[in-house]
Amino acid sequence: EVQLVESGGGLVKPGGSLRLSCAASGFIFSNAWMTWVRQAPGKGLEWVGRTKTKTEGGTIDYAAPVKGRFTISRDDSKDTLYLQMNSLKTEDTAVYYCTVEANTWYVGYWGQGTLVTVSS
Amino acid sequence: QSALTQPPSASGSPGQSVTISCTGTSSDVGGYNYVSWYQQHPGKAPKVMIYEVSKRPSGVPDRFSGSKSGNTASLTVSGLQAEDEADYYCSSYAGNNNVVFGGGTKLTVL
Repeated sequence: EVQLVESGGGLVKPGGSLRLSCAASGFIFSNAWMTWVRQAPGKGLEWVGRTKTKTEGGTIDYAAPVKGRFTISRDDSKDTLYLQMNSLKTEDTAVYYCTVEANTWYVGYWGQGTLVTVSS
Repeated sequence: QSALTQPPSASGSPGQSVTISCTGTSSDVGGYNYVSWYQQHPGKAPKVMIYEVSKRPSGVPDRFSGSKSGNTASLTVSGLQAEDEADYYCSSYAGNNNVVFGGGTKLTVL
């Protein structure tokens, strides 16, 4: 059974930093495209970014609103995905989901999400 | 990338059919057969219901179907049941390794 467990969410001040982690199990992590999707309170889903597999070059792509501030990384030896968030803004407040994305551009598995609140 | 356009709400009575639209552009929905649909109940993570326009993952009832015409994709729920009441989101590949979601549609079963 695929399991994705996010951690690291919490309250942070504008301009601050936070690092999210996602522990994965139940599938071959190194073979998977791993993606972060977020959802602001009461709002819709927003694709944040993705890391492809190392064998595919490890390409990492980001949505425009987070490019230059967020960094996605993966540790295949630990089956763990990370999201380093810097220069946080109030509009980054959201539940952040760790997901497994198929190579035909849809999300097949979702974690339970972790809430990030950016507020002074 | 701009979000795909969905109606904010849709509704139907039990047993009826309802269709939710998802309108994009030739750079996303119209340009690729990579449209997916997600169901989200309150407080829960989303769940994929349709991928690659019209394919259903195992375990998803065949009451759910997807289609596409031009720049608009559609999700049809037939034989509405109470448990179908949820938020539904479409998503599409948008080129250059990017994905875009729709704004979501709240489906109410009357």
